This record gives sequence, C-alpha cells and structure tokens, in this order.
Amino acid sequence: AQSVTQLDSHVSVSEGTPVLLRCNYSSSYSPSLFWYVQHPNKGLQLLLKYTSAATLVKGINGFEAEFKKSETSFHLTKPSAHMSDAAEYFCVVSGQNFGNEKLTFGTGTRLTIIP
Amino acid sequence: NAGVTQTPKFQVLKTGQSMTLQCAQDMNHNSMYWYRQDPGMGLRLIYYSASEGTTDKGEVPNGYNVSRLNKREFSLRLESAAPSQTSVYFCASRPRQGAADTEAFFGQGTRLTVV
Repeated sequence: AQSVTQLDSHVSVSEGTPVLLRCNYSSSYSPSLFWYVQHPNKGLQLLLKYTSAATLVKGINGFEAEFKKSETSFHLTKPSAHMSDAAEYFCVVSGQNFGNEKLTFGTGTRLTIIP
Repeated sequence: NAGVTQTPKFQVLKTGQSMTLQCAQDMNHNSMYWYRQDPGMGLRLIYYSASEGTTDKGEVPNGYNVSRLNKREFSLRLESAAPSQTSVYFCASRPRQGAADTEAFFGQGTRLTVV
C-alpha cells in the first residue's frame, strides 16, 4: 500500500521569498516520487521526479525537492517565489513493482503569491 | 504531437443520463488511467489499464465502466449519472507497464456537471 500526505492545504508567500511545500509518503517498496503543478483550469504538468538516483532533484522553473528516506519526506522548495508560481501542487507516489505502478496523489497544496 | 486528448471538455448531464468520456493518446504508451478531481481531495484513481486488453479498478470505481478499445484509446462510461459524479475527469498515460519511474502525461480534463 502507498499513500501521500501533503501537510499544508494552502501556503501563502510574498513574491521574492522562499517557497516550501511539504510532502510525506508511505510505501511498502522503494518509491518513485513526483511533483505536479496545476494552474487554474489547466491540466497537470510535471515539475520534477525522484527515481532512486540523486536525492536532490532539480525541476523546471527553479523548483527542487529533496528525498529523505529517514524522514519519508519529499518537500518541494524554490528560493524565490514568482507571481507565475501561483497554482495547485500535487505530490505523487508510485510503486516500483511490476504491476504495481499506480499513481497515488496527495490532496494538493494551493500556493498563493502575495505581490 | 497532441499527447493525451480528452473529449468533451465540458458536459452537463441530467441525473440518470448516460455518457462516455473519450481519451486517446498518440505516444504509444501502454498504461492509461482515469482520475477524478474534487476540491480538497486531490486526484483519485477510478480505473486504470496497465496494457491493451486489461483493466483494473482503482480507488473509486463505483458507477463507472471502462473500455480499452485499443492501445491508443481508453474510454470511461457513466451508465446512470448521479450528482455525486459532478467532477473534473482526467485521463493520463504512461509509457509501459512496470515503468514506475516514468511520469504520467495528462489530458486537459473534462468538466462534468450532473444536475
């Protein structure tokens, strides 16, 4: 079984300040982890993914995430928020086993950027 | 390259009516998925198809049926729509069964309202 918990349903930051979106996961196997972004009334776009290579993963638009197995966390960060970052963000876990590659989504974190 | 295409984009149904949501991908992917998105609940898996000719239930399959018509197409059918099925529906695909480290590609969504 696998699950994802996004610890904050809503995060507000000022433009130019750091962003931290928190994600904890649970998986019976070594997981693959993803962050997706959804802008209003749009589909989902991949930001970055972790697949058991480097624990610090860099994604698009200046985002990065660090996989910490001891803490079962995969938090998303960005050094300096931009107005265009306002969106909903989803942390996603996938099993590694053949036939067990369902994607399980967190409930999402809505990021608001204050001008 | 269209990616994942969903039709229709918007639909209003009366309670008890039936309809089929269509999804097609042109990336030669094996695995396809149907999700529903509701406020505060993230995306929940309805059904998925790990490969052509196979389908499996996800987290919330009740009230839905699916057909994997061929490798490209994966349709979702509501036999007797209910107001609880008002949601945004997303279709997704991934390259191959067992490819847990690969990202899913999403369509733009179908916004369904059942009155």
